[in-house]
Amino acid sequence: DAGVTQSPTHLIKTRGQQVTLRCSPKSGHDTVSWYQQALGQGPQFIFQYYEEEERQRGNFPDRFSGHQFPNYSSELNVNALLLGDSALYLCASSLSRYSNQPQHFGDGTRLSIL
Amino acid sequence: AQSVTQPDIHITVSEGASLELRCNYSYGATPYLFWYVQSPGQGLQLLLKYFSGDTLVQGIKGFEAEFKRSQSSFNLRKPSVHWSDAAEYFCAALNQAGTALIFGKGTTLSVSS
Repeated sequence: DAGVTQSPTHLIKTRGQQVTLRCSPKSGHDTVSWYQQALGQGPQFIFQYYEEEERQRGNFPDRFSGHQFPNYSSELNVNALLLGDSALYLCASSLSRYSNQPQHFGDGTRLSIL
Repeated sequence: AQSVTQPDIHITVSEGASLELRCNYSYGATPYLFWYVQSPGQGLQLLLKYFSGDTLVQGIKGFEAEFKRSQSSFNLRKPSVHWSDAAEYFCAALNQAGTALIFGKGTTLSVSS
């Protein structure tokens, strides 16, 4: 049973560039959430996708956008990268049908901005 | 606003000793609460969860947690720590909409021999 997979594992970009991160949910899951984890901090919720729509968004600027595909996989896009965007980006999946089902996390993408 | 607080940034425990990691939450209704563990360079692994019912919940790797409504706490415990337990531990609560996890800042656990 495949868990949540994220790609790439590491990424280095420069300020002003754009980046796309990818996530495949755990088999059977239909909901994908994205989190940003800065060094030494807990993860911060970016947004959640369900049925190809953004269901809820955290306190992140519009430079952060996403997409969910019919196969439930998801992308996180960040435009006009800033030094402060350097972080571990975590994808989590869950089964929306059951509100008490926990979110399962991937190993993350480490994004470094130079 | 809903929040989760982990008062201890770093804890060192001797191998074989007992462990308790503290977590406090602010939330009006009964929250859905979780403990996750993160090893260096890894994602988050779910240790245990609390939704309702029995206030003492058992998790993986010998961990347990107790929900105390009167103290707004959900502390994680283990009777005997192993060196492999050294990691970052995060307490989290599900938001009212049931969509986002709200995390504490984490507690780093070191295990001494």
